[in-house]
Amino acid sequence: EAGVTQFPSHSVIEKGQTVTLRCDPISGHDNLYWYRRVMGKEIKFLLHFVKESKQDESGMPNNRFLAERTGGTYSTLKVQPAELEDSGVYFCASSQHGEGLAYEQYFGPGTRLTVT
Amino acid sequence: LAKTTQPISMDSYEGQEVNITCSHNNIATNDYITWYQQFPSQGPRFIIQGYKTKVTNEVASLFIPADRKSSTLSLPRVSLSDTAVYYCLVGDKSNYQLIWGAGTKLIIKP
Repeated sequence: EAGVTQFPSHSVIEKGQTVTLRCDPISGHDNLYWYRRVMGKEIKFLLHFVKESKQDESGMPNNRFLAERTGGTYSTLKVQPAELEDSGVYFCASSQHGEGLAYEQYFGPGTRLTVT
Repeated sequence: LAKTTQPISMDSYEGQEVNITCSHNNIATNDYITWYQQFPSQGPRFIIQGYKTKVTNEVASLFIPADRKSSTLSLPRVSLSDTAVYYCLVGDKSNYQLIWGAGTKLIIKP
């Protein structure tokens, strides 16, 4: 069974540019999550999809971040325009439908975003 | 809001049992407590999850007291390859958000 995949693995962009991160969850997993880890800090929840619907986007830092999950399959996270503080590692995770938020999640390898 | 507290780092030796405790007040009543392991340049990897009392799988045990305000991950007979950062994850009771601990960096020495 293929795991969660993310693309690209690393992205270096200049301040003001746009970057789109992609996540392909495990097939059949309804739940898809985006997280971010800024250097030296803990992992922060960004948002949660259940199929194609945004279940919770309260962790999104501001309106420069836009997440989509068309058709309930893969998801994209766009940052436009990127700022220096957006640098970090962006993780995607997926899980089967289960009770509670903290149900077992499978993580991708992450996308390291560097904004210069 | 819920807050999770873990030791920043721990050291141990090969063959020892290691216990890492996470404190999590205001945990959601009906949610799991989940622990993850993370190696450098990789995404977190699920270790174990539980709701109450004790859960054991092939890699770890998880002890959860009745009030669920803490949990202890127990790694039996650790090896060098267990050197990693360990995170606890819970759901917040008030706003139902996922709350990650800051992670415990575990270093296993030969």
